[in-house]
Amino acid sequence: GESVGLHLPTLSVQEGDNSIINCAYSNSASDYFIWYKQESGKGPQFIIDIRSNMDKRQGQRVTVLLNKTVKHLSLQIAATQPGDSAVYFCAEAQQGQNFVFGPGTRLSVLP
Amino acid sequence: NAGVMQNPRHLVRRRGQEARLRCSPMKGHSHVYWYRQLPEEGLKFMVYLQKENIIDESGMPKERFSAEFPKEGPSILRIQQVVRGDSAAYFCASSPLVTGHTGELFFGEGSRLTVL
Repeated sequence: GESVGLHLPTLSVQEGDNSIINCAYSNSASDYFIWYKQESGKGPQFIIDIRSNMDKRQGQRVTVLLNKTVKHLSLQIAATQPGDSAVYFCAEAQQGQNFVFGPGTRLSVLP
Repeated sequence: NAGVMQNPRHLVRRRGQEARLRCSPMKGHSHVYWYRQLPEEGLKFMVYLQKENIIDESGMPKERFSAEFPKEGPSILRIQQVVRGDSAAYFCASSPLVTGHTGELFFGEGSRLTVL
């Protein structure tokens, strides 16, 4: 389930289950969105991106959904594995502007 | 094809000293971004640069912090007269110049500054 820790909300899922991580973005003019994975002590790693002219994009085991009406982005991870345990960030950008990151969600995969 | 390279990976400074963090973007990338991250928190934008130009420094503190991306060499984030509150991980990211839309953003492994 979901819980809010001191700083980062945490999502705990059983290994093999699907995970859904949500993100509310702030700028209705943003036209490009990226999901990042950050493991402890490392830099953020690009997972998947989507542009505002799409509402869904699929990668290997991951799917990103974009709902521009409510400014909501989600990352779905199929068959979650222990190696998926990390903090996940969404980022939004408007052309020519800097990227703004969401607060992050910690995904914890239970054996 | 090397990724974004940051150095030093770890830096310890005493209060009042200067910290210089370096970032070499990926080959072919002309945009550099600096972000700051405190433990268990998200990434806070600091500055966005292109070669020899600061595009957006709205996230940079007005004092003690500066950034540059010269024509030759890496981008430098400089923190003068460091204080304990500057202790954080500083991440650099780069993206390519893509006509018409924003390019992907790739991160380095970060420089972790500890101020004693």
